[in-house]
Amino acid sequence: SQQGEEDPQALSIQEGENATMNCSYKTSINNLQWYRQNSGRGLVHLILIRSNEREKHSGRLRVTLDTSKKSSSLLITASRAADTASYFCATDLGGSQGNLIFGKGTKLSVKP
Amino acid sequence: ETGVTQTPRHLVMGMTNKKSLKCEQHLGHNAMYWYKQSAKKPLELMFVYNFKEQTENNSVPSRFSPECPNSSHLFLHLHTLQPEDSALYLCASSQDEITEAFFGQGTRLTVV
Repeated sequence: SQQGEEDPQALSIQEGENATMNCSYKTSINNLQWYRQNSGRGLVHLILIRSNEREKHSGRLRVTLDTSKKSSSLLITASRAADTASYFCATDLGGSQGNLIFGKGTKLSVKP
Repeated sequence: ETGVTQTPRHLVMGMTNKKSLKCEQHLGHNAMYWYKQSAKKPLELMFVYNFKEQTENNSVPSRFSPECPNSSHLFLHLHTLQPEDSALYLCASSQDEITEAFFGQGTRLTVV
């Protein structure tokens, strides 16, 4: 299995609810990043959390990182229909090349 | 808009055709990347260019040929492709040492 794996693969919620997505990885990382992708379009960078950080906030997004468990979670609070997209975690193993390893993603559907 | 522009957005080509994908960024980034996104598979890194030099070739078949004439432009030349090469091809750029990547909208390639 690959370095980053998101869980669940698909998530369907009602507008206003919170959405939690998890990511697990296997090797030591320099940082972990979350991206969003609307159907068939490019990825949009959401948030980066470094290996020495445990929690980070950005607007309605909250990311946690547990390096002992090699896992991260992305929480979207008060979800909106516009949050409907696929969410990917990407692990950066370090080095100057910026080689990110992506998981398969979680497909989030927010129903109005 | 992320500052990374890819053209064309859609491309249909026959297996004997030769075509090129173009990526352009004016973010002042020094590293540029090609990724391949196939259905139900994780995003796959194909090539990395750092300061116009190719620093990573992730075992990509020779029918894909990248070119980086300057730090703002990246091309992917395609020839004698196979139907299984049909995918979304994403270009990204980042600063040399900071791995936050900015992605283009992608080129949806269909090989017939």
